[in-house]
Amino acid sequence: GNSVTQMEGPVTLSEEAFLTINCTYTATGYPSLFWYVQYPGEGLQLLLKATKADDKGSNKGFEATYRKETTSFHLEKGSVQVSDSAVYFCALKGPIQGAQKLVFGQGTRLTINP
Amino acid sequence: GAGVSQSPSNKVTEKGKDVELRCDPISGHTALYWYRQSLGQGLEFLIYFQGNSAPDKSGLPSDRFSAERTGGSVSTLTIQRTQQEDSAVYLCASSSGQAPFLETQYFGPGTRLLVL
Repeated sequence: GNSVTQMEGPVTLSEEAFLTINCTYTATGYPSLFWYVQYPGEGLQLLLKATKADDKGSNKGFEATYRKETTSFHLEKGSVQVSDSAVYFCALKGPIQGAQKLVFGQGTRLTINP
Repeated sequence: GAGVSQSPSNKVTEKGKDVELRCDPISGHTALYWYRQSLGQGLEFLIYFQGNSAPDKSGLPSDRFSAERTGGSVSTLTIQRTQQEDSAVYLCASSSGQAPFLETQYFGPGTRLLVL
């Protein structure tokens, strides 16, 4: 079945550092890919998404490119801020079996120190 | 407009009791989803509704879990004879239902369930 693997956390960085959180997936066909973020005490929010190969999703300075060759969707940000501290989840949907449900990675807790 | 709302925000119950969790989706969204977030299992899909019918119940962990949706809007997740392993945050999400494969799911704040 479909699955998502994220780099293990926790990840701790200093403000203005470069961030990469790795995400790879296993799926039949070409799924839609998502990054969700959960800030402390808040619910899950969509950060960005890509629905076909080579698409780049971007939001709030974060970017991720859908790479079908490496079945990856790594999250990057050039200069992180303290306010980026949160748990980040990579997820996929579809395209065949259970196309409507999200399959999540285990989450990566990110802490940014001033 | 208003987002997805869930109630109660927290629920403490005794082992063996039944609990009901409620979800109000975004107005006009025909697709509704329940997920569970627990320390040991991460984020898991439970059930998906399109309108009032549930074409995918594959994630319900046992027959103690059931869900219904009425009027194409509010959904209730019921857990009978709760067990300690049911302790988790139960998340509800909704989406427009027009293109399930592509569209974004919007999540509510969750109900934190603790079974003593």
